[in-house]
Amino acid sequence: SQTIHQWPATLVQPVGSPLSLECTVEGTSNPNLYWYRQAAGRGLQLLFYSVGIGQISSEVPQNLSASRPQDRQFILSSKKLLLSDSGFYLCAWSKWKKGYNSPLHFGNGTRLTVT
Amino acid sequence: QKEVEQNSGPLSVPEGAIASLNCTYSDRGSQSFFWYRQYSGKSPELIMFIYSNGDKEDGRFTAQLNKASQYVSLLIRDSQPSDSATYLCAVNGPNTGNQFYFGTGTSLTVIP
Repeated sequence: SQTIHQWPATLVQPVGSPLSLECTVEGTSNPNLYWYRQAAGRGLQLLFYSVGIGQISSEVPQNLSASRPQDRQFILSSKKLLLSDSGFYLCAWSKWKKGYNSPLHFGNGTRLTVT
Repeated sequence: QKEVEQNSGPLSVPEGAIASLNCTYSDRGSQSFFWYRQYSGKSPELIMFIYSNGDKEDGRFTAQLNKASQYVSLLIRDSQPSDSATYLCAVNGPNTGNQFYFGTGTSLTVIP
């Protein structure tokens, strides 16, 4: 069966510090990978998605970046965090099969507080 | 116009009643529809998905899809206090590529 790992679970970082969040998927190959952010009491905002190694699509221009160095690894980074980067960060995966995307499956999330 | 719209609620139902959650979408080419449950502070978990017009049942949950009306709903029978959560509707299709569009969610409270 497939599993998705995301870490750390919680993070408190000062403004201006760097960020690196990591996500890995097990039990499947060539998944589509996604980073979402959810601000407190708000909906899901798609930040990045990737259909393959080195292929990143950005949905929201900001001070965040993403990379996919391996097939099942997705990394979210920032060089300098802003207060507005606080939120709940979710990694997710799906598969494209026979003309349909399988459901998104989410990791447990990282709660980031920028102070 | 938002891609996916949900009534934000809150929706309150007594224990044992049927909860009805609704979602409309704007892209007529959408072909995949998903319902997620999200408890406070947790990540969304998949409840059901539906691809074809009509009803799909799984235990106490029934998803209903009407592509002509661009409407998808989730019925929860015999609602339990543990069903109290935010329910997210998501849509995907060839026009959205690999993107999933989410509604902002409906908050459901089941009153014991």
